[in-house]
Amino acid sequence: QSVLTQPPSASGTPGQRVTISCSGSSSNIGRNTVNWHQQLPGTAPKLLIYSNNQRPSGVPDRFSGSKSGTSASLAISGLQSEDEADYYCAAWDDFLNGPVFGGGTKLTVL
Amino acid sequence: EVRLVQSGAEVKKPGESLKISCRGSGYSFTSYWIAWVRQMPGKGLEWMGIIYPGDSNTRHSPSFQGQVTISADKSISTAYLQWSSLKASDTAMYFCARHGLLGGAFDIWGQGTVVTVSS
Repeated sequence: QSVLTQPPSASGTPGQRVTISCSGSSSNIGRNTVNWHQQLPGTAPKLLIYSNNQRPSGVPDRFSGSKSGTSASLAISGLQSEDEADYYCAAWDDFLNGPVFGGGTKLTVL
Repeated sequence: EVRLVQSGAEVKKPGESLKISCRGSGYSFTSYWIAWVRQMPGKGLEWMGIIYPGDSNTRHSPSFQGQVTISADKSISTAYLQWSSLKASDTAMYFCARHGLLGGAFDIWGQGTVVTVSS
């Protein structure tokens, strides 16, 4: 059971906009920033969004993040086939004194 | 180029010991925390612990405390994850990742090391 809660799956057709939610608590998302990682099949995770809504260099602006209270969300607009991957939210947890992850959301592009 | 390069896949028997490695390059290895993350087959990411190679200050997740040892050799820019007695349940992919300056996020990941424990 992951500390952060994500839906196990999401889907969309090419060009659509999809959102993935991430729910936490006051000890993690409520007090700290949220990061999102993309894991393409058979590869290592890659940082997609940091500090709730910032994109590292090289990440397309089709990807955006937001946070409100103890929840966060990742939005992908103009969905492309290469976006098919697992997406994980993460945040520092003050109770654990370490980072915690969501269980991951498998995005399927139909 | 900033990189973390991990050691190769391992196949071990229950009860055997193992030490896998993660070598950093392209940046000041001693200035960033390095984390170890487990991914069991078909499952999500789990934080195991972190180490600051500059002074070897280490913190383990309660879930992994006593189960693994995290260490580093700053002279060769390498972090390690070690087991003294493997179990079948240790079968997983293990990633190292750098706690970067981007909001403290894991900004650089190693390619992963597959560990298979089977009799």
